Amino acid sequence: DAEITQSPRHKITETGRQVTLACHQTWNHNNMFWYRQDLGHGLRLIHYSYGVQDTNKGEVSDGYSVSRSNTEDLPLTLESAASSQTSVYFCASSESPLPGYNEQFFGPGTRLTVL
Amino acid sequence: ELKVEQNPLFLSMQEGKNYTIYCNYSTTSDRLYWYRQDPGKSLESLFVLLSNGAVKQEGRLMASLDTKARLSTLHITAAVHDLSATYFCAVISYKTGNQFYFGTGTSLTVIP
Repeated sequence: DAEITQSPRHKITETGRQVTLACHQTWNHNNMFWYRQDLGHGLRLIHYSYGVQDTNKGEVSDGYSVSRSNTEDLPLTLESAASSQTSVYFCASSESPLPGYNEQFFGPGTRLTVL
Repeated sequence: ELKVEQNPLFLSMQEGKNYTIYCNYSTTSDRLYWYRQDPGKSLESLFVLLSNGAVKQEGRLMASLDTKARLSTLHITAAVHDLSATYFCAVISYKTGNQFYFGTGTSLTVIP
């Protein structure tokens, strides 16, 4: 069955370190998204991609970067982790050639703690 | 700034009772999505509402969309414990590249 996976599921790191969170989907979806979830804020969009070599900034992109070299993967990099980036991170994907038309399917999440 | 507001934020209700969760949004959008999240889990798609007046039902949950009022409702009928979860609505903003904007969520607890 097609699915979307994230790794690691839990990560503890130190302030200033570079961290990369992986997202892999086997739906063959063009669109992929990264969100962070914090109490009182719901989910907020960090970065998104509508296809290979395409990346766009979302609502809370400062301190994060993504790259899209193939359809299946959209890794999220924290260049220099900060305590404010402690959060639960969700990756999502959607199918339609019209971005945003279809519902997004979410990965299991990565809980990141920055000490 | 685009806002998606849900109310109530917290809801505790008895089994068998009915209640409605409201989702108000500030942008022009004709597409609204409802998701469910169980504690420590990912988000599961419940409903996709694609036009004004759309109504979708699944079991004890019914969602509707009024694009003119910029309002969606999620109605719970005869609640059961299994419905305990956090429910999110999300809208698309065409002005910002079709990004999803999520509400803050409604945490529902159904008491036996």
